Amino acid sequence: GAVVSQHPSRVICKSGTSVKIECRSLDFQATTMFWYRQFPKKSLMLMATSNEGSKATYEQGVEKDKFLINHASLTLSTLTVTSAHPEDSSFYICSAPRTGGRYEQYFGPGTRLTVT
Amino acid sequence: DAKTTQPNSMESNEEEPVHLPCNHSTISGTDYIHWYRQLPSQGPEYVIHGLTSNVNNRMASLAIAEDRKSSTLILHRATLRDAAVYYCILSVWAGGTSYGKLTFGQGTILTVHP
Repeated sequence: GAVVSQHPSRVICKSGTSVKIECRSLDFQATTMFWYRQFPKKSLMLMATSNEGSKATYEQGVEKDKFLINHASLTLSTLTVTSAHPEDSSFYICSAPRTGGRYEQYFGPGTRLTVT
Repeated sequence: DAKTTQPNSMESNEEEPVHLPCNHSTISGTDYIHWYRQLPSQGPEYVIHGLTSNVNNRMASLAIAEDRKSSTLILHRATLRDAAVYYCILSVWAGGTSYGKLTFGQGTILTVHP
């Protein structure tokens, strides 16, 4: 069964509004989670590393003020897309390593965001 | 980051073996080789990983070249459910903040014909 969940699975919002996406590890604790975005027919692009109890680390070119990440507990990380625009429409996916970075990571099912 | 090179696409027939190649000529000694796959509109799924020796699990086998500059993912009997994008990824092991980061390339689109 799924060990990482995301909510919502899909969301449609109007331009200028904010959207929050949740990522939960279901049966393990994750001090680190990762957020990716994926455009149609493209590969996953790492956006940021979410760290429990400290600030997220963003990849080059990702606006930290636009994509707010909060790792509130050992099983929950949230990504908030602020003042969303149509170009933010994408597939957002989170992941969490279970036994350390050398081994398998568990990915959430993804959240399809459409900004109108 | 060490990079990987994979063919854009491959095709197979159902119940036949599939060999998916990956080149990683700049791999470092501490890099693990990971394979993930992604079905349409889903998050990626872990397939297998290895360091130096060949590896087998219930999903696939991983054959690693002796010089570690290439590897091959082997699906022993492809099924229609194996149609996906397969990603070969080197883990970025530098300790600290790089721990666990996966950098996805373009991957190989595997088509399985009935």
